[in-house]
Amino acid sequence: DTEVTQTPKHLVMGMTNKKSLKCEQHMGHRAMYWYKQKAKKPPELMFVYSYEKLSINESVPSRFSPECPNSSLLNLHLHALQPEDSALYLCASSTLAGGFETQYFGPGTRLLVL
Amino acid sequence: QKEVEQNSGPLSVPEGAIASLNCTYSDRGSQSFFWYRQYSGKSPELIMSIYSNGDKEDGRFTAQLNKASQYVSLLIRDSQPSDSATYLCAVQTSYDKVIFGPGTSLSVIP
Repeated sequence: DTEVTQTPKHLVMGMTNKKSLKCEQHMGHRAMYWYKQKAKKPPELMFVYSYEKLSINESVPSRFSPECPNSSLLNLHLHALQPEDSALYLCASSTLAGGFETQYFGPGTRLLVL
Repeated sequence: QKEVEQNSGPLSVPEGAIASLNCTYSDRGSQSFFWYRQYSGKSPELIMSIYSNGDKEDGRFTAQLNKASQYVSLLIRDSQPSDSATYLCAVQTSYDKVIFGPGTSLSVIP
């Protein structure tokens, strides 16, 4: 089983709103990721948590705030977003397979900022 | 800048033909390589991973890796219309970091 779940599927928010995206996996994967994907572009790494600690922050604006409450959950808190932040937000988790890390993606949250 | 590049698309092949997708990467220390398929509006789906030089086959898919040339490819045999999607090459450049190429759009014509 390689299921990563994300909620909500769709989100519309105003620039003054605060909202959160949620990601969950119950496969015991050691690392979890947030990616942002704009139309016709590849996923762009935002944050990585390894063993519940933030290991990579790709210089993401502070209006995006990640949180990893436990090894199965990953949140992305959103505040004062801009219209250009509208995108598909993907969560992934990774595990060792054959001695190498392999990443699996959730279905994504499609975000529209008005 | 560690980069991943893919052959520009869109790529069109007739049904039943072989589709060939290519990817080059700049970080010589990269160890793990992946091909993801992404349908429009959906998330990327892992279809192949390869770690050693040579070929790796899984059904109609064959991944080829040449670390000396910093080149990885994906062959899709007996292409089907359901294979029409964007194919993303991804390279693991460090313990936690995976970089994606820009993607190649494949269209299989019935």
